[in-house]
Amino acid sequence: GESVGLHLPTLSVQEGDNSIINCAYSNSASDYFIWYKQESGKGPQFIIDIRSNMDKRQGQRVTVLLNKTVKHLSLQIAATQPGDSAVYFCAETQLSGNTGKLIFGQGTTLQVKP
Amino acid sequence: DSGVTQTPKHLITATGQRVTLRCSPRSGDLSVYWYQQSLDQGLQFLIQYYNGEERAKGNILERFSAQQFPDLHSELNLSSLELGDSALYFCASSVGLVRSEAFFGQGTRLTVV
Repeated sequence: GESVGLHLPTLSVQEGDNSIINCAYSNSASDYFIWYKQESGKGPQFIIDIRSNMDKRQGQRVTVLLNKTVKHLSLQIAATQPGDSAVYFCAETQLSGNTGKLIFGQGTTLQVKP
Repeated sequence: DSGVTQTPKHLITATGQRVTLRCSPRSGDLSVYWYQQSLDQGLQFLIQYYNGEERAKGNILERFSAQQFPDLHSELNLSSLELGDSALYFCASSVGLVRSEAFFGQGTRLTVV
């Protein structure tokens, strides 16, 4: 079936460094992608999204890059802080599918070392 | 606080029992989604309701059912519970039918013993 997968289960970075979390998706019909952050004991929290007609989108300290040719998505976090420690999920959906169904990847745990 | 309220936060029940999980979406949101999160399966989409009507179904077992009421709150009913149903169940809501941004509740942790 369809799946969105993350390349690495755990990423450990030094505080202040930049983090890059990767994601590969398999459904070429997906046209909308979202990154979620999930802290321990909490529900997923929306970070940033990108539509397939874009290849880059920036937010506050975060940037999402989309490469449709190789079906790859990445989340870059600048100047990583201890508060960024969490599990990060990418998710995909089809806006043309007329539902809000999201397909989530397995998640990458980001550990920030002080 | 996302504005999505789920109750109860924790639930422990025996195999074979039935439970009901409740979700109140954010004010103004018409879509409600249910997701199951287990250690080995990640976040799995179960079902979506929009303004009282079922709009999409995922890998939801026949033992599970859901509904959205006129006041837009939703309930997820899980019956004939098995040990493998132990998981976190999340509700999310969004304004429209096709989400631009879904807000998740804190989840209900179900433990089946």
